Amino acid sequence: ETGVTQTPRHLVMGMTNKKSLKCEQHLGHNAMYWYKQSAKKPLELMFVYSLEERVENNSVPSRFSPECPNSSHLFLHLHTLQPEDSALYLCASSARQGPTDTQYFGPGTRLTVL
Amino acid sequence: AQSVSQHNHHVILSEAASLELGCNYSYGGTVNLFWYVQYPGQHLQLLLKYFSGDPLVKGIKGFEAEFIKSKFSFNLRKPSVQWSDTAEYFCAVTLFSGGYNKLIFGAGTRLAVHP
Repeated sequence: ETGVTQTPRHLVMGMTNKKSLKCEQHLGHNAMYWYKQSAKKPLELMFVYSLEERVENNSVPSRFSPECPNSSHLFLHLHTLQPEDSALYLCASSARQGPTDTQYFGPGTRLTVL
Repeated sequence: AQSVSQHNHHVILSEAASLELGCNYSYGGTVNLFWYVQYPGQHLQLLLKYFSGDPLVKGIKGFEAEFIKSKFSFNLRKPSVQWSDTAEYFCAVTLFSGGYNKLIFGAGTRLAVHP
């Protein structure tokens, strides 16, 4: 399934680097999400964009900076990360259909911070 | 706060065995419930969902789940598992607020099926 794509699939970065994760959805949806999947922890919602407006920032540190230039693209800009930020970062999208809305996920970016 | 509990973190079965994965949620209002599956090296995929109506929901690949409101449960079942069902399974409940659904996930259950 190629409805939601993410690049890169793997990323290794130092704590002083700046990098960006990209997500693109081809489903005509208008809400997009960033999740963090760490080992032994439930998936954590980080950010939500609805109609390109950020509607949720789930107490995420400022070293993570999202950007949603249009309804098809979502970025997560990373700078001065910590080793504990190593995780799988998942992007999802949905059609914003109210309570019966369903989110569809991309393959994720496996991030390692050295 | 809403939460989801998946009681089994690791399950090991032989092929053809029956499967039941537990999921309980804590939320007193109307809920929408999901099971997602993540096969090794693949992305999170929707297995099935419950919004309303018949509490027994059928999903892809022979999976089904039963919503029992009185028990706050949404257990996943399959009568006969296959080696290809080896994956991690996530239960999730949604909280609809501000025009979007916030998915709250359980910790996941890793299923290993041996031939």
